[in-house]
Amino acid sequence: DSGVTQTPKHLITATGQRVTLRCSPRSGDLSVYWYQQSLDQGLQFLIQYYNGEERAKGNILERFSAQQFPDLHSELNLSSLELGDSALYFCASSSRQAGNTIYFGEGSWLTVV
Amino acid sequence: GEDVEQSLFLSVREGDSSVINCTYTDSSSTYLYWYKQEPGAGLQLLTYIFSNMDMKQDQRLTVLLNKKDKHLSLRIADTQTGDSAIYFCAAISNFGNEKLTFGTGTRLTIIP
Repeated sequence: DSGVTQTPKHLITATGQRVTLRCSPRSGDLSVYWYQQSLDQGLQFLIQYYNGEERAKGNILERFSAQQFPDLHSELNLSSLELGDSALYFCASSSRQAGNTIYFGEGSWLTVV
Repeated sequence: GEDVEQSLFLSVREGDSSVINCTYTDSSSTYLYWYKQEPGAGLQLLTYIFSNMDMKQDQRLTVLLNKKDKHLSLRIADTQTGDSAIYFCAAISNFGNEKLTFGTGTRLTIIP
C-alpha cells in the first residue's frame, strides 16, 4: 500500500459527460501529480500541484482541470468526455523530505462508452 | 524536454538475473526511478537513485547509473515468477519542476 488513495477505482460513463476523480496524498506529502496511462500514449504527465498551487503542467487537455484543496487532497475533472479519454488515471504524491520519493495510487479506470 | 527510452520486452529464465536498461536525454536529471506495474495494478516504486550516485543496492535489486552515457539499468538477481511485470524507468529533470518523465516500460517475462 503506497498510502496514496484514489477514488473511484472504476468508472464507466457516456461520451459528453463529466467526471471527477479524487486523490488523497500520503500523509505529509505536499505535492500531488496526475498522470494518464493509455495503450497508445503510455504514461503521460498531466499536472502537478504543490501545497495548493499549480507547479507544472503537461499534456493536459483544456477539457480537463484539476485543483488541490487546503487539506491537500486533489481532484481531476474531466468534461465533454470522448472515447479517447478512456484510460487509467494515476495520482501520485511526493515529499522532498523523503528523498523525493514519488508514490502512486492504484489508479482510476475510466471507460467512456 | 526529457526523453526516456527502454526496450519493450525481456525474457529471462527463472533463477537467472534480469537486466533492464534505460537511457535518458537530459543530463541535468536529478533523480531516476524504477517502477513496477503488475497486470491491472498501480505503479509500485521499486527504487530510485540520485544523480550523484553510480550504484544503489537494495536486496535483489541493483541500480547502476552511468551519468556520462545517460544510461540507467536495473538488475534483478535470482528472478522469480513474481517478478513478471512491466518495469518503468522515470527521470526528473528539474528539481524545481518535479515532472516525472516515463519510458515506455519493459515487459519482463519469466521462463520456467
